[in-house]
This record gives sequence, C-alpha cells and structure tokens, in this order.
Amino acid sequence: EAGVAQSPRYKIIEKRQSVAFWCNPISGHATLYWYQQILGQGPKLLIQFQNNGVVDDSQLPKDRFSAERLKGVDSTLKIQPAKLEDSAVYLCASSLGGSRDTQYFGPGTRLTVL
Amino acid sequence: RKEVEQDPGPFNVPEGATVAFNCTYSNSASQSFFWYRQDCRKEPKLLMSVYSSGNEDGRFTAQLNRASQYISLLIRDSKLSDSATYLCVVDTSGGYNKLIFGAGTRLAVHP
Repeated sequence: EAGVAQSPRYKIIEKRQSVAFWCNPISGHATLYWYQQILGQGPKLLIQFQNNGVVDDSQLPKDRFSAERLKGVDSTLKIQPAKLEDSAVYLCASSLGGSRDTQYFGPGTRLTVL
Repeated sequence: RKEVEQDPGPFNVPEGATVAFNCTYSNSASQSFFWYRQDCRKEPKLLMSVYSSGNEDGRFTAQLNRASQYISLLIRDSKLSDSATYLCVVDTSGGYNKLIFGAGTRLAVHP
C-alpha cells in the first residue's frame, strides 16, 4: 500500500518569498494533518482536515499560512511571506478518520528560509 | 509548562542494555497515549499505544500512571537498530485524534 506522499522534499527560499507544499494522503484516509517540526522539537499540529472541512486550525499562523483540501483528497500548505523562523520540516499525516486511528506520516518537506 | 515533557537525552547505552524513558503530561483529561519512533531525518512512526494496564510488544514495555500523569517506555536487550528518537505523544482532544508530541528522547546504542 502506498504511503503518504509529499513534495517537494527540500526547498530553500529567501525570507519574504512564498512557498507551497503538496500532500497526497493514503487512499481512503478521511483525515489529513499538517505538522511543523522545528529542529530539536516534536511535531506541532498546524491544521487538521476531516474530508474537505477544517477540524482544527488553532495553531496555524493565519496571517501567513494557509491550507486547503478542496476535494477531500490532496492538500496544499502555503506560506506567504516566509520568515526565518519558518525553517522547519513540514510533515503531512493521514488517518482513516476514527478517534483512535493511527496517523501515518509522509517523509516531510524540509524548508530552509535564508 | 509544556503539555508533554521528556528528558531529551541522549541516552548512550551498549548493546544488550535495558533503558527506560519517562514522560509527563499536563492535561489530566488526556485519553490516549502513544510512543512514536523517529529515525534521523525521517518521519515519525507509531511504535506502540500505551494502555492503562500497561502493555508489552516484544522487547518494548509501555506503562501509564494516570494519577501521576506519567508515561514510560522500557526497552530490553537494546539493539543497534533501536538508535532513534522516541517521542511521547498524548491525545488531549477527547476523541478528535489531536496529538501533542513531546520533544523526544534520543537513544544511541553502541556496540
């Protein structure tokens, strides 16, 4: 079974530029998550979708971050404009949709903001 | 206070050693608990869930103490392949599968 796919794997941009990340969850998984993992820290949830609706975006910096999952499958996360402190690995995860279903993570996108 | 706190390590142990990791969480309403493993520059993967009665999976034993809000992971007979970061994870959302991750404890097993 194919896992969670993410692209690009690496991205280097300058501050104030824009960047977008793409995620394709495991087939049939209703819930999709975006996490930010800063070096030396655990992943922090940015946004959680159930199908194409937002369940939780309380920790998403909405002045610069946006995410969408228009058809309830693929998702994109955008940062505009990027700041130095946005340098991190952005992980996408998916789960079937139940309250205790395992979250499966993609390989992540490593973002460096210069 | 962080919601999930772990000793960052690193724990440097020889092969065959027994090592224990501890974790505390602040939200007493937390319902589900997990240990995830993260290899260097890789994604986190579920190692095991943690149940109130304690549970074991081969060389790994997880325990939960709700009264003390404390979770532990014991690894027996450590292997070189156990070298990784172990993340303590708590679901505080009461059924919405919203996970709070600790910063992780790094384990290095040497020959």
